Amino acid sequence: SAVISQKPSRDICQRGTSLTIQCQVDSQVTMMFWYRQQPGQSLTLIATANQGSEATYESGFVIDKFPISRPNLTFSTLTVSNMSPEDSSIYLCSAHRGNYGYTFGSGTRLTVV
Amino acid sequence: AQSVTQPDIHITVSEGASLELRCNYSYGATPYLFWYVQSPGQGLQLLLKYFSGDTLVQGIKGFEAEFKRSQSSFNLRKPSVHWSDAAEYFCAVGPRGGGNKLTFGTGTQLKVEL
Repeated sequence: SAVISQKPSRDICQRGTSLTIQCQVDSQVTMMFWYRQQPGQSLTLIATANQGSEATYESGFVIDKFPISRPNLTFSTLTVSNMSPEDSSIYLCSAHRGNYGYTFGSGTRLTVV
Repeated sequence: AQSVTQPDIHITVSEGASLELRCNYSYGATPYLFWYVQSPGQGLQLLLKYFSGDTLVQGIKGFEAEFKRSQSSFNLRKPSVHWSDAAEYFCAVGPRGGGNKLTFGTGTQLKVEL
């Protein structure tokens, strides 16, 4: 299955600032996904990122807060904007690749203070 | 709408004992089914997946899962648990053919007593 490198692995940020998370896949994939995992919770999909088109956001998530880029078939970024302590979560990217299923990055543990 | 239920939030087993983690799903058709494991502070690692064919699926680390269509279940099993299996386990479903989001259960936290 595809290998995803995600960075940073963790960060502590001041409220009101922004953080950009990067995911690099070792092979071309059509669809990439960004999830949020709040403390003690399951994973919630933020958006689906296709190369060459705008990301599709799930209910409750908006582009102004979570802008996503997908410049090519191996790379995507998620920005968490104007952060507040409620944004403290683990953020994970995922890629789908045919019969290999879905692979996940190692996650970014974000703490907003 | 699709949903995944993992009825056990926490499970504690003794090392060497057998393990079964339950997963039930609600989906319009037979979905793709997955089990992932997450160690503290880590991302998700795929244990096994079911797409089609044999309903008993073998995965990594000695895990297996059985798809039961009549019960809409995909329970995860391991005959003998090791202390290193302590982690959180997530069941997930996705559409056949992939290419769309996964829906996750709420997870089961496994504790292993030595």
